[in-house]
Amino acid sequence: KNQVEQSPQSLIILEGKNCTLQCNYTVSPFSNLRWYKQDTGRGPVSLTIMTFSENTKSNGRYTATLDADTKQSSLHITASQLSDSASYICVVYDRGSTLGRLYFGRGTQLTVWP
Amino acid sequence: KAGVTQTPRYLIKTRGQQVTLSCSPISGHRSVSWYQQTPGQGLQFLFEYFSETQRNKGNFPGRFSGRQFSNSRSEMNVSTLELGDSALYLCASSLSGVLVRESYNEQFFGPGTRLTVL
Repeated sequence: KNQVEQSPQSLIILEGKNCTLQCNYTVSPFSNLRWYKQDTGRGPVSLTIMTFSENTKSNGRYTATLDADTKQSSLHITASQLSDSASYICVVYDRGSTLGRLYFGRGTQLTVWP
Repeated sequence: KAGVTQTPRYLIKTRGQQVTLSCSPISGHRSVSWYQQTPGQGLQFLFEYFSETQRNKGNFPGRFSGRQFSNSRSEMNVSTLELGDSALYLCASSLSGVLVRESYNEQFFGPGTRLTVL
C-alpha cells in the first residue's frame, strides 16, 4: 500500500535553533517528492521538488534531502525564525501510469518560540 | 503576477444544501486541481482539470463535481452536503499539471475556502 509517513507529528523549538523533519514513503514507482509549508489559514507553498536523481536541494534556510534507496526524505531548517511556525507537508508523486497519483503525509506542525 | 484566487473565503451551509466554490488560476496556467483538507484526514486530492476536461480524479463520491471554463477558471460543486464535508477546500494551478508523467511543474495553491456544514 502506497503511504507517506511524517515525523514528528509536532515539534517545538526555540528561535535560532535548527531542526529536521522526516518523511518516509512506500510509494512506488517514484516520480518526485515535494515539501510544502502551510501557514495557518493559508494554502501550502512549495519549498522544494526532488526527483529520483537528486540527493540534496536547498531553498534559503531550507535543505531537503532524498534517499531513494531507503525511501526517506528530510527537511532541515537552519537558524529557525518565528515565521517558520507552520505545518510542513511531504507529498510524493508516483509515475505508475501516464497520469500519476499523489500521496500526502499528515504534516509536521512546527512551532518556533522566541 | 496575481496568484491563485478562491471565492468565497468562508461559507456556512446546512446539511442537504449544495455549494459552489470558485477558483481563478494564475494567468497562463491551464491545470487546476482541487483538494480537501481536514484535521482528521489531512490533504486529499479531489480532481484535476486541464483544458476544460477532467483529467484525474480522487476517491470522492459523485456528490463532488467540478468543471473548468475556457479561461481556465474552475468551479467545484458539492451537492447534498453532509457534516463531514466541513473542510478547507484548496485549489491549485500549474502550467500543465503535476500528475502528468515526469512533470515537475510548480503547483501554486490559493488561500482556500473554509466550508462549515451545520
